[in-house]
Amino acid sequence: DGGITQSPKYLFRKEGQNVTLSCEQNLNHDAMYWYRQDPGQGLRLIYYSQIVNDFQKGDIAEGYSVSREKKESFPLTVTSAQKNPTAFYLCASRTTGQGGNNSPLHFGNGTRLTVT
Amino acid sequence: EDKVVQSPLSLVVHEGDTVTLNCSYEVTNFRSLLWYKQEKKAPTFLFMLTSSGIEKKSGRLSSILDKKELFSILNITATQTGDSAIYLCAPRGSNYKLTFGKGTLLTVNP
Repeated sequence: DGGITQSPKYLFRKEGQNVTLSCEQNLNHDAMYWYRQDPGQGLRLIYYSQIVNDFQKGDIAEGYSVSREKKESFPLTVTSAQKNPTAFYLCASRTTGQGGNNSPLHFGNGTRLTVT
Repeated sequence: EDKVVQSPLSLVVHEGDTVTLNCSYEVTNFRSLLWYKQEKKAPTFLFMLTSSGIEKKSGRLSSILDKKELFSILNITATQTGDSAIYLCAPRGSNYKLTFGKGTLLTVNP
C-alpha cells in the first residue's frame, strides 16, 4: 500500500543525546515536511523539502536538522540543542506535479519522542 | 505573522447532534484553506476550499469559506461516536505554507 511510514512509534532518549526520526514515503511525492505537535498547540513546521538535496527551515527549526538524499526519505535529527524536544512529530508529503498547488498534505502516523 | 483561531477549543455533544466548528484566519497571500480530522495519530484530509461561498460536502460533513470575512466553518450533521476527534484548520499562503490552528476537540457521546 502507498503511504508514509514513520518509525519508531515511540522513542525514549536521555537529555543530551541526538536522536533521528525516520520518515519514508512510497507515494512518489516530491515535497516532504516535518511538523511538531504539542498538547493544546497546532502543528508547527520544523523543516520542509521541495526536492531532493534541498530543504528549507520552517518556523521552529532551531535544534533540528534534516537531510534529503533520496526522494523517498526525509529523516529528522533532534539535537541536544533543542530545548524542549519531548513532543509528537509528524512527517507529511505531497505531490508538486501538475495540479500540485492544490494537493493536500498526506501525513504519517507520527513518532512520540520523550526525552528525560 | 499568520494567525489562525479555531473555536470552540473543545466541544462535547450527544450522538445525533449537529455541530459547527469555526476557523478564522489572517494569512498573507491566502491561497486555500484545508480541514483535517485527527483521531489518534495521522491527520486525515477532509476538504480543501479555495473559493468563497461554495460548499463542499462529504457525507454528513460540509464546509464553506468566506474570503471576505476571513473564516471557514465545518459542519457535521447527525454526529456519531466515530466523529470524535480533533479537527484542524490550516489556511495556506504562498509557497504552500500551511498555518495550523490549535484544533477543536470534538467528543461525541452515545
